[in-house]
Amino acid sequence: AQKVTQAQTEISVVEKEDVTLDCVYETRDTTYYLFWYKQPPSGELVFLIRRNSFDEQNEISGRYSWNFQKSTSSFNFTITASQVVDSAVYFCALSEAGYSTLTFGKGTMLLVSP
Amino acid sequence: EAGVAQSPRYKIIEKRQSVAFWCNPISGHATLYWYQQILGQGPKLLIQFQNNGVVDDSQLPKDRFSAERLKGVDSTLKIQPAKLEDSAVYLCASSSRQGPMYEQYFGPGTRLTVT
Repeated sequence: AQKVTQAQTEISVVEKEDVTLDCVYETRDTTYYLFWYKQPPSGELVFLIRRNSFDEQNEISGRYSWNFQKSTSSFNFTITASQVVDSAVYFCALSEAGYSTLTFGKGTMLLVSP
Repeated sequence: EAGVAQSPRYKIIEKRQSVAFWCNPISGHATLYWYQQILGQGPKLLIQFQNNGVVDDSQLPKDRFSAERLKGVDSTLKIQPAKLEDSAVYLCASSSRQGPMYEQYFGPGTRLTVT
């Protein structure tokens, strides 16, 4: 069975601070995909990134970066110089190869204050 | 390109009543998903369609929930009769094809409150 754990329920930071959202996953498959989604107050889930299990290269996209470590089953997400618009709930998700089904964590609510 | 449309956005019903939600996916997307998101939790897949066929409905409470996608485009999710624990946001998503390589695009959701 697959499982995603986001231990941080809520994080509060002040604008321009860096913040890291943790994600730990469990799966028996050797081929799988990891995702991060953002859910702003409007409610729509917005896709941020997908990573497959064979690609452990870290990725940077603007102020966002992701650190994938198979040895610790973690896929952490860092926002550099946070902004108020980053305030949202962030979900980490897992999908096993060949299946579309996403297993989501419970989410981390990020509050960025001015 | 228009996104995934859902209606209504909000619905309040009493327990034991019935309710239906509608979803219009992105044009040309063959795969459609319904998720249930209970407050404070991540979305949970209820059912997945590929065109008008069901691919996965293993987590759909079939005694009270039903869903259809008759012409392989729009979809309707129904709850009959509703229970208090059905209070949640119901999200519809679509992707061009099946599989984790194809991004799922989500609609704004329908927030259901059962009193």
